[in-house]
Amino acid sequence: DSGVTQTPKHLITATGQRVTLRCSPRSGDLSVYWYQQSLDQGLQFLIQYYNGEERAKGNILERFSAQQFPDLHSELNLSSLELGDSALYFCASSVPPLGGELFFGEGSRLTVL
Amino acid sequence: GESVGLHLPTLSVQEGDNSIINCAYSNSASDYFIWYKQESGKGPQFIIDIRSNMDKRQGQRVTVLLNKTVKHLSLQIAATQPGDSAVYFCAEQTSYDKVIFGPGTSLSVIP
Repeated sequence: DSGVTQTPKHLITATGQRVTLRCSPRSGDLSVYWYQQSLDQGLQFLIQYYNGEERAKGNILERFSAQQFPDLHSELNLSSLELGDSALYFCASSVPPLGGELFFGEGSRLTVL
Repeated sequence: GESVGLHLPTLSVQEGDNSIINCAYSNSASDYFIWYKQESGKGPQFIIDIRSNMDKRQGQRVTVLLNKTVKHLSLQIAATQPGDSAVYFCAEQTSYDKVIFGPGTSLSVIP
């Protein structure tokens, strides 16, 4: 158990809909990262937050947004969903803003029909 | 743009043999590299890391080698066991906090 909690574990929805994925980092970790993993694909970096502030951005679509709240949990919002958004979405956390081991959650599997 | 790539997408080894997983990276400014293991249905787990001021680092049954001249790193697993079967990702730390992962290598251990 990494200590990172992601909900929901599975989500099935239709095209055009909007979903929110939630992540609770390990106790004490200030950084939260979001990654997308499509079938047989690597981990695509989406976005990172540190202590409530956006720290780094990857190839995140404009239809996607995220935030980190004062209690350090984070949410990833996916809107106007398309079939190609079906993927595993991982959240990871770490203590420092620079380097260090990332602790990953079990992921949220999104299926868009 | 930044990219981290793997030479071999799949690797099959006999139990007890040594495994070598290779990785190429493109950003010569990256100064921190990490190997992660992802088992089926789980999130990636940290295996070992290395900073750019080192060329070798050893852990328990694993060794990471870094060759900055050719921008290459490798993960060596000694006496590979069935429990080592997983997908292995190399990752590089770039632009302060952005951790970029490679496409992954699937390691299959034959009993």
